[in-house]
Amino acid sequence: DAKTTQPPSMDCAEGRAANLPCNHSTISGNEYVYWYRQIHSQGPQYIIHGLKNNETNEMASLIITEDRKSSTLILPHATLRDTAVYYCIVRVNAGGTSYGKLTFGQGTILTVHP
Amino acid sequence: GAVVSQHPSRVICKSGTSVKIECRSLDFQATTMFWYRQFPKQSLMLMATSNEGSKATYEQGVEKDKFLINHASLTLSTLTVTSAHPEDSSFYICSARDVRGSQPQHFGDGTRLSIL
Repeated sequence: DAKTTQPPSMDCAEGRAANLPCNHSTISGNEYVYWYRQIHSQGPQYIIHGLKNNETNEMASLIITEDRKSSTLILPHATLRDTAVYYCIVRVNAGGTSYGKLTFGQGTILTVHP
Repeated sequence: GAVVSQHPSRVICKSGTSVKIECRSLDFQATTMFWYRQFPKQSLMLMATSNEGSKATYEQGVEKDKFLINHASLTLSTLTVTSAHPEDSSFYICSARDVRGSQPQHFGDGTRLSIL
């Protein structure tokens, strides 16, 4: 069963902010929200992750709603190189030798145009 | 940042050949590595989880005798596609999880396998 729901595609103008939504209404209390992206013919690239607080790094910002049932990935100034498939994944972030699988859905195809 | 190296990046071989793909974590130790397969225009599908020093765990529907996994050290896992056939042609991607479990999982750049 899919644990996250994302729109299949989105467009964004170069230089504008890209806001990618994700619904994860069945998320458990110990599951983190992860975002990866995959540029054509490459492996997925880690972007950002969070549990309940908003997070920001050099690539993007992650906004998680207070009830944690949805989140938004924000690319503040999209460039043509940001064109990719973006995956929102929820996963238990166990430490030590434990692990949680990353299960990929269909993601959102983001196309950044000039 | 953390780097996962996958080799080779592309393989073209005849049907019946066995092909080995290597996955290395370059600047961290990985007790767990994951192998994925991706067909054209589809998402990544987890094939198996590789644990250092123990047997791999395969996902339902993945033949363990067909896809041999060896995780002999904390920085290397290998996937061998035995007696490959055209239907095994796909994009194979590995991922490694740092022993420090709070770190995100990182992926290799994939291996494009084409069986003629």
